[in-house]
Amino acid sequence: GAVVSQHPSWVICKSGTSVKIECRSLDFQATTMFWYRQFPKQSLMLMATSNEGSKATYEQGVEKDKFLINHASLTLSTLTVTSAHPEDSSFYICSAGSWANTEAFFGQGTRLTVV
Amino acid sequence: DAKTTQPTSMDCAEGRAANLPCNHSTISGNEYVYWYRQIHSQGPQYIIHGLKNNETNEMASLIITEDRKSSTLILPHATLRDTAVYYCIVRVSSGGSNYKLTFGKGTLLTVNP
Repeated sequence: GAVVSQHPSWVICKSGTSVKIECRSLDFQATTMFWYRQFPKQSLMLMATSNEGSKATYEQGVEKDKFLINHASLTLSTLTVTSAHPEDSSFYICSAGSWANTEAFFGQGTRLTVV
Repeated sequence: DAKTTQPTSMDCAEGRAANLPCNHSTISGNEYVYWYRQIHSQGPQYIIHGLKNNETNEMASLIITEDRKSSTLILPHATLRDTAVYYCIVRVSSGGSNYKLTFGKGTLLTVNP
């Protein structure tokens, strides 16, 4: 299947700082990318949907000014957690899809710990 | 997207077939059944999907009932590495933003030696 790569795999940051997570589609052009968050022992919750070249669509309850999403190219989307706090500590996962594929492919996830 | 219901957990002996059920009684005619799995601390992995015919690939088989209200994912010879949470999801299959997936709680499959 297609490959989606996330970076970094894990990150520890201080409270109040910002963290950027990258999601790349390595062998296909992703017209749409999705960002999910997963807390321990819970399922994945969709945060936002981004289409290349346009603003992201956020799910209800997700602060767009706190979770900045950029999808400037067909192979890269970034999620920036601004002014991170301990409650933002979670497992963040991206997925990517395109018109040519019938299924979405997921990155390996990024474990964020805010101390 | 239609809602799905799966058992919370299941156990399977290594080398035996694992049969994971999923109920999706409100599925629409244009909705597909997708299966993903998530091994601990990793991103979900696509397994298989189908509309109404049974499907098989190198990972698993998908059996969909004639009325499409339920399905079963079959791992023919489970290994310890198949221990994971398995998600059954129904959605319209097409490109672009329809790749949005709504994850339920899934089934934790534990393969025992």
